[in-house]
Amino acid sequence: EPEVTQTPSHQVTQMGQEVILRCVPISNHLYFYWYRQILGQKVEFLVSFYNNEISEKSEIFDDQFSVERPDGSNFTLKIRSTKLEDSAMYFCARGGVYEQYFGPGTRLTVT
Amino acid sequence: GIQVEQSPPDLILQEGANSTLRCNFSDSVNNLQWFHQNPWGQLINLFYIPSGTKQNGRLSATTVATERYSLLYISSSQTTDSGVYFCAVEYGNKLVFGAGTILRVKS
Repeated sequence: EPEVTQTPSHQVTQMGQEVILRCVPISNHLYFYWYRQILGQKVEFLVSFYNNEISEKSEIFDDQFSVERPDGSNFTLKIRSTKLEDSAMYFCARGGVYEQYFGPGTRLTVT
Repeated sequence: GIQVEQSPPDLILQEGANSTLRCNFSDSVNNLQWFHQNPWGQLINLFYIPSGTKQNGRLSATTVATERYSLLYISSSQTTDSGVYFCAVEYGNKLVFGAGTILRVKS
């Protein structure tokens, strides 16, 4: 059973469009994270979210990105005005007592 | 920031062979995790191992925190072990990943 689920599994969008990626934790947790992995590269941290607020963000996480937990359960990553270089796998993770557990990812393709 | 280096970058094994993957990190860390990324892209937790040694079936891992490295051992490799193995260390409130080791096991 996955720790978190993510939707959609794959999204294709045109450059300049907005996309919303969703993460649904199986149970209540306080810590959530978004990471991305450009094809063939390592996994990179984007942002951490604790108790409904951003805890830390990377240099990648600029004004183009935003996160929120609109209904207290789903956890979303919004990318405004997508660029070709935003094409990547986006992972949601939840924090455990000791370790992080990753969702299956959303593959975003920007054309 | 912290640097995480993995070696070797690529490894090809014959089924049944053993292997050792290495992860070096440049600063003290509170947490270290090993992941296997399968062909579908999923990141599968293998070990949470900030220090010491753990074993899970054919896999085992050792972290020597004072010397800032961790090792992942795969014994009697199988074709299903193929994929990318990532080491990740907790630094601040995030995981910092290495570049990974691509493992190919041939039958």
